[in-house]
Amino acid sequence: AQSVTQLGSHVSVSEGALVLLRCNYSSSVPPYLFWYVQYPNQGLQLLLKYTTGATLVKGINGFEAEFKKSETSFHLTKPSAHMSDAAEYFCAVSYTTGYSTLTFGKGTMLLVSP
Amino acid sequence: SAVISQKPSRDICQRGTSLTIQCQVDSQVTMMFWYRQQPGQSLTLIATANQGSEATYESGFVIDKFPISRPNLTFSTLTVSNMSPEDSSIYLCSASPDNEQFFGPGTRLTVL
Repeated sequence: AQSVTQLGSHVSVSEGALVLLRCNYSSSVPPYLFWYVQYPNQGLQLLLKYTTGATLVKGINGFEAEFKKSETSFHLTKPSAHMSDAAEYFCAVSYTTGYSTLTFGKGTMLLVSP
Repeated sequence: SAVISQKPSRDICQRGTSLTIQCQVDSQVTMMFWYRQQPGQSLTLIATANQGSEATYESGFVIDKFPISRPNLTFSTLTVSNMSPEDSSIYLCSASPDNEQFFGPGTRLTVL
């Protein structure tokens, strides 16, 4: 069964600092990979996704992630954190076309201090 | 894309009762999903609901506890039956038009 591991339940950064949220997956076949963000009392919003092609994926709000097959990783980065980035971030994986069945990581809460 | 709404947004219920959560999508979709997000945990898929067929439940979830209806291509309900405090969670609905999942805001359920 597939699984997703997000290192660190909480990550704290200062405003303007680099954001790095880690995600590793277990798989013997190429997956489809996603990052979602959840703001307080809101549903999940898709930040970016990797399906095929270029391994560096750019998403909304200045976030990007790189699929590294050799490391089974899909870490999320943003060069400069903004206060509005404070939220919970979920990495997810799917192995079906149509992205119908998602397996989520446990989430990482990003805290941004002034 | 799809805009998804859920009702109620939150509720506090007594053990032994049932709650029905409604999910409305602003466009027709074939596949809808129900997830549970327990406190401090990730999202767990409860079931997949396709219009015109019985819902497909994941391991650990059964129809008697979580009956689902899917009467048309824009609407679904999830009922949490005979609730216990362990059912206190956020329940999220999602839909998958165009091979991408969109999520509703969730229903925060507290069972006393």
